[in-house]
Amino acid sequence: NAGVTQTPKFRVLKTGQSMTLLCAQDMNHEYMYWYRQDPGMGLRLIHYSVGEGTTAKGEVPDGYNVSRLKKQNFLLGLESAAPSQTSVYFCASSYSRLTYNEQFFGPGTRLTVL
Amino acid sequence: GENVEQHPSTLSVQEGDSAVIKCTYSDSASNYFPWYKQELGKGPQLIIDIRSNVGEKKDQRIAVTLNKTAKHFSLHITETQPEDSAVYFCAAVKTSYDKVIFGPGTSLSVIP
Repeated sequence: NAGVTQTPKFRVLKTGQSMTLLCAQDMNHEYMYWYRQDPGMGLRLIHYSVGEGTTAKGEVPDGYNVSRLKKQNFLLGLESAAPSQTSVYFCASSYSRLTYNEQFFGPGTRLTVL
Repeated sequence: GENVEQHPSTLSVQEGDSAVIKCTYSDSASNYFPWYKQELGKGPQLIIDIRSNVGEKKDQRIAVTLNKTAKHFSLHITETQPEDSAVYFCAAVKTSYDKVIFGPGTSLSVIP
């Protein structure tokens, strides 16, 4: 099993450009999450999904959109990138509710917006 | 809003010594407290967790304690080794939600 994979690993964008980050998991997990990690701020939840076809806003959703068309994939989109979105993005998944199941993280995507 | 404080932000210890990281949470409804270890260039990985009906949990060299009245919990690493060097995150979760509130992290360095 590959676990949680993220594509791409690195990306540099210019302000105003758009891009999509792909997260894939092969563990048949229901729940998937997108976080951003900034120095001194830990991980902050952007959006999450509790099942195929569902999405919900997290702590910092502005400027991002997500889709969960297939159970194994969770896409994070930036429609018009801004320098404030420079960060490391982590995807995670869990079998069901976090209080009963471990959350598995991908290796991260380092995004720079110029 | 909900938040989790974590101290210290950086910690250096000699190999073989103990390390303690402390966290405080704001939402009294939180009832699950995982700890994650993040090695350089990798995603966080769960190392130990504790639920609100338990006061202490141990797993080999690591242990976690929880004081629900004071709303704080701590990670204890004994007999530290160089491979323990990493960033450690505490977190708080409420049963009624599926979201984790993370602390800002502690960078632990174990000096050989």
